[in-house]
This record gives sequence, structure tokens and C-alpha cells, in this order.
Amino acid sequence: AQSVTQPDIHITVSEGASLELRCNYSYGATPYLFWYVQSPGQGLQLLLKYFSGDTLVQGIKGFEAEFKRSQSSFNLRKPSVHWSDAAEYFCAVGQNTGNQFYFGTGTSLTVIP
Amino acid sequence: DTAVSQTPKYLVTQMGNDKSIKCEQNLGHDTMYWYKQDSKKFLKIMFSYNNKELIINETVPNRFSPKSPDKAHLNLHINSLELGDSAVYFCASSQRISGGAGDTQYFGPGTRLTVL
Repeated sequence: AQSVTQPDIHITVSEGASLELRCNYSYGATPYLFWYVQSPGQGLQLLLKYFSGDTLVQGIKGFEAEFKRSQSSFNLRKPSVHWSDAAEYFCAVGQNTGNQFYFGTGTSLTVIP
Repeated sequence: DTAVSQTPKYLVTQMGNDKSIKCEQNLGHDTMYWYKQDSKKFLKIMFSYNNKELIINETVPNRFSPKSPDKAHLNLHINSLELGDSAVYFCASSQRISGGAGDTQYFGPGTRLTVL
């Protein structure tokens, strides 16, 4: 069965510090990979996605993610975090076989001044 | 203009009641979804419709019945509500480009359902 793992339930960083949120997936082929952000009381917004090609993907709000096939990972990064980045972050995997789409359990980000 | 809208935003009801949540998208997308987010923020897909046809129907109780009167609407009707149905329900839509699972989904703001 396919799965998406976000090992960090909660991360706290200082404003201006760098950020890396981890995501691992289990799937036989290269899946479609996404990162979504959910601000408090809001729906989910797409940050970036990977289908194929360049393994370093740039997204909105200064985020980027790198697909590493050998590690089955798609970690999200930002060089300098802003207080407005405090939110819940979800990694997601899509596979065309069975048209399935799975979310990870999310990582809650707190930004301290 | 809101791209994906849901009504109501909050829904508080008693066990055993029947309720509906409405979803509308004005993006011209042909695929719509319902997700359930539990108290631990875990998101799980419930249903997916493409051009008014059901394409994903995960294991959910048959008390949950989606209804798609047209491409722009996917409503969720829930019969005989139970305590465990309390959650936030998200509607989403996408345009079928990459074969389904690779399409970017646009989410509504969510409906927080509380069953007492």
C-alpha cells in the first residue's frame, strides 16, 4: 500500500532561520508529489508540485522542494522563515494507478520572533 | 471571487439528524472531491467525481452520499449523523490534465461539522 510519512509532527523555528520539512513516500514508481499549506481555519493551498524533470522544484512564498528518488523523499525547504509561514504543512502523493491521492499526517510549524 | 466555496462554514447538529454540505466551484474544473479532516488533522479522500461521474469512492459509510447535479457542484449528504462524523470536511476541484492523480487540487475553506 502506498503511504506518505511526515516524521515531524511539530517544528518550531525562529523567524529568519532556515526550514526543512521532511516527507517520505512509499510507491513503486515515481509518483506525483505535492506540498500544501493550511493556515489556521483555512483550506489548503498548493505550494509546489513535482511531476518529472528537474528534481528541485520552486514554489510560491519562497519555498522549494527536492525530489530524491534514492531516498524516496520530497523535503520542503525555505532559507528564511517569516512569521506568516506559521501553518500546517501537508505532503501529498498522487498515483494514476487507481487514481489515488494520499496526504501525509502534516507538520505543524510554529515561528517564534 | 471565491474559486471553491462551501456552505455552511460551521454546522452543529444532533446525533441522528440528516444534513447536507454544499460545494460549488467557478473554475470550470471537471473533477471535484470531498475530503474529511479529523481532529488530528489527518486528511482522507472520501469521494471524487469527474464530469458528474463517481470515480473514487473510498471506504466510507453509506450514510454519506455525494450528489453532483452538474460539473460545478458536488454536495455531500449525510444521514443519521454519528458522533464520529465530527470533523472538518473539505471540498476540492481540479482540471483533468495529468490523468487525475497529478492534477492540482484547489480546496474550499472547509465546513466544520460538530455532532452532539
